[in-house]
Amino acid sequence: RKEVEQDPGPFNVPEGATVAFNCTYSNSASQSFFWYRQDCRKEPKLLMSVYSSGNEDGRFTAQLNRASQYISLLIRDSKLSDSATYLCVVRTGNQFYFGTGTSLTVIP
Amino acid sequence: SAVISQKPSRDICQRGTSLTIQCQVDSQVTMMFWYRQQPGQSLTLIATANQGSEATYESGFVIDKFPISRPNLTFSTLTVSNMSPEDSSIYLCSVAPPPLFGPGTRLLVL
Repeated sequence: RKEVEQDPGPFNVPEGATVAFNCTYSNSASQSFFWYRQDCRKEPKLLMSVYSSGNEDGRFTAQLNRASQYISLLIRDSKLSDSATYLCVVRTGNQFYFGTGTSLTVIP
Repeated sequence: SAVISQKPSRDICQRGTSLTIQCQVDSQVTMMFWYRQQPGQSLTLIATANQGSEATYESGFVIDKFPISRPNLTFSTLTVSNMSPEDSSIYLCSVAPPPLFGPGTRLLVL
């Protein structure tokens, strides 16, 4: 079983839409969780960490559900500039496990 | 947060040759990793670069093919040896936590 599972999409949504991505993880001992954004031909960049209480950064909300072992990323009021691949990352011990990424295209 | 630079940024190489990629960090970091990412694919961890000792390789990657050096807490190199076209990829240096990435080295092997 993979450490992290992520729906690859693609998600094609109109501008202004709300879109949500989920990742599930297999190890209940995982201790840290993150969302990254990767633009075409660029390196992944940290979007936000995910905290147990949930956290928000502008239009982006991240949540962690330890009981069901998944993390989510919600993007509200999608912008064209949100088009990218979104990767979830789970830390277990000193290892970081990456999801395969979910492709998002925001359509005018 | 740490600033990571890599060089070269890209290269085109002939099969059978070797290329050494350098990763420089502007601050001392404990955890440093090397990844590979092929077009349209997710990241694949090659190895953990350990300061002062041999790197820890993931399944499918061996030291003879991907020798790694890490002489101090701010610098590491990855060599891609005896290259073949299958080695064409983006190679990324990363430090953690949380994972931060260098800009990558785009390698094309002919």
